[in-house]
Amino acid sequence: GAGVSQSPSNKVTEKGKDVELRCDPISGHTALYWYRQSLGQGLEFLIYFQGNSAPDKSGLPSDRFSAERTGGSVSTLTIQRTQQEDSAVYLCASSRLAGDYNEQFFGPGTRLTVL
Amino acid sequence: GNSVTQMEGPVTLSEEAFLTINCTYTATGYPSLFWYVQYPGEGLQLLLKATKADDKGSNKGFEATYRKETTSFHLEKGSVQVSDSAVYFCALTGGYQKVTFGIGTKLQVIP
Repeated sequence: GAGVSQSPSNKVTEKGKDVELRCDPISGHTALYWYRQSLGQGLEFLIYFQGNSAPDKSGLPSDRFSAERTGGSVSTLTIQRTQQEDSAVYLCASSRLAGDYNEQFFGPGTRLTVL
Repeated sequence: GNSVTQMEGPVTLSEEAFLTINCTYTATGYPSLFWYVQYPGEGLQLLLKATKADDKGSNKGFEATYRKETTSFHLEKGSVQVSDSAVYFCALTGGYQKVTFGIGTKLQVIP
């Protein structure tokens, strides 16, 4: 079946512009996660959705970052007034249910470059 | 908070060599432990997992044992292949759902 998809695969933007990143989870997966993979810093958690609500937004690095999920499916991560330090690969993952035992399936990521 | 420490790479091995990638963790409660792998140009994939102390996760010839007494989850493979070249991430979930990752270890296997 189809896996987690993300779009765009690559995004180059100018400093100060807003960007939207999209994630389509596996059909039927209720939990959705956003992570960021920065060079030399590994993977960091950003936000987690259970259905359309976000019980944990603790990883969002600043108020320029926001995310929403509609219909329990597609999610968008929005970065306003992008800065060069936002350059990273943004990964989305989904799992059938939330919880330690439920494997998270990752998308291919969106590589964001802020010039 | 939770954290994962793994050896930094890159690790370069000859084909058929023995592989160990060390991983230790700090967590409250009883986390589940994972190894993820990222092959060149591909997304993260779950390699193996262990959900309680003394469990051994295994897949594709790789193994890791959940050692609560040493808070470790070292990844091992007896004989690596060129196709194992990838970045390996140790990770945990504890308390609830988010995954805490290590920094990743790049493995390069040469023929």
